[in-house]
Amino acid sequence: GAGVSQSPSNKVTEKGKDVELRCDPISGHTALYWYRQRLGQGLEFLIYFQGNSAPDKSGLPSDRFSAERTGESVSTLTIQRTQQEDSAVYLCASSLKGTAYNEQFFGPGTRLTVL
Amino acid sequence: DQQVKQNSPSLSVQEGRISILNCDYTNSMFDYFLWYKKYPAEGPTFLISISSIKDKNEDGRFTVFLNKSAKHLSLHIVPSQPGDSAVYFCAASYPSGGYQKVTFGTGTKLQVIP
Repeated sequence: GAGVSQSPSNKVTEKGKDVELRCDPISGHTALYWYRQRLGQGLEFLIYFQGNSAPDKSGLPSDRFSAERTGESVSTLTIQRTQQEDSAVYLCASSLKGTAYNEQFFGPGTRLTVL
Repeated sequence: DQQVKQNSPSLSVQEGRISILNCDYTNSMFDYFLWYKKYPAEGPTFLISISSIKDKNEDGRFTVFLNKSAKHLSLHIVPSQPGDSAVYFCAASYPSGGYQKVTFGTGTKLQVIP
């Protein structure tokens, strides 16, 4: 498929463990976004990558959260020492560029449950 | 601080009738607005957008209206179909740090009743 893919689709972990979520964007898309959606909430911006530019990390909620992207390919979101409030659906999106007229294409998300 | 607000968490409409989904925003820097549709267990998909220099954009059964003075936009679906049943997210963006930063609302769950 040519869409955005994410893995795993579901992740259940114990409080205090580290988790790593993966996003494969659409080939050729230079912009990549991570969002979080808690139950009953909207999409909360976490981080933005654009090519080789410095990422916008302004949405990361704490220093337990980090993300990497190698060039214009795969991105991983890492949450260290998970807490119960980290339980959410984590969505990745990519777009051709980060400009206004380039719609974001979303993956199906990773549902994270922290026990 | 919720800059994009969708005050109706849910809406039920009869098939064939008009669905009107509303969205309010507070940040006057927003210059581009979008609607996304989300089915369960799937990521949101882009539906329609509008630039702040326009007040209306139409695409088939979907029309988005923008009232800048009221900081309000709405999505009209006519006629509504059962397949339109989904969660609709309003989003707004503005240029920040070299890219268009997008803020999403909390969503409105639309149910179209056959």
